[in-house]
Amino acid sequence: DAKTTQPNSMESNEEEPVHLPCNHSTISGTDYIHWYRQLPSQGPEYVIHGLTSNVNNRMASLAIAEDRKSSTLILHRATLRDAAVYYCILRDVSLGANNLFFGTGTRLTVIP
Amino acid sequence: DTAVSQTPKYLVTQMGNDKSIKCEQNLGHDTMYWYKQDSKKFLKIMFSYNNKELIINETVPNRFSPKSPDKAHLNLHINSLELGDSAVYFCASSPGQRLNQPQHFGDGTRLSIL
Repeated sequence: DAKTTQPNSMESNEEEPVHLPCNHSTISGTDYIHWYRQLPSQGPEYVIHGLTSNVNNRMASLAIAEDRKSSTLILHRATLRDAAVYYCILRDVSLGANNLFFGTGTRLTVIP
Repeated sequence: DTAVSQTPKYLVTQMGNDKSIKCEQNLGHDTMYWYKQDSKKFLKIMFSYNNKELIINETVPNRFSPKSPDKAHLNLHINSLELGDSAVYFCASSPGQRLNQPQHFGDGTRLSIL
């Protein structure tokens, strides 16, 4: 899997938008960009994924740079429940198995 | 309704013992996984199964033996437990093996070796 780089930690005030960056300068044309998050004492939770176009779902938005070398996960209004470690993961469709390779992620702290 | 459930939630045992962790998913998924999260919080794939068949075994000691009696269950049996086996073990499932299919995780089993 291509490597991703994320800040170790970020802080946000409650009810404000949060932009979580991810750099993936070695991304290949067949890599999907996935985001998962892990709340304290829970298993990872799928957030969103995309390939080239920006994506929106009920949890978040994913903005993908035109050259695909970076992406940003956007939480539109942070809540205390969004405090978690967020993982940016690249999945190469040329690989046979759907295994996730987690990095160190970004620990998001939400301030009341 | 719990989608991916693991039992037990906590497991404390002594070195050298044999133990099992059970995992069940009620999502109708074909593919199931075991991951290990160590004390430094790194999550690493151990095994993946598709329709009860082993797909991936990622450099895991053969003391770890997964068993899939049907596609809704993937249990993990560990022989001769060692101190280094202390970790949180997560089970997950996905509809299939396609790489744009999200995985659903259980809440983990915290294994502590005394």
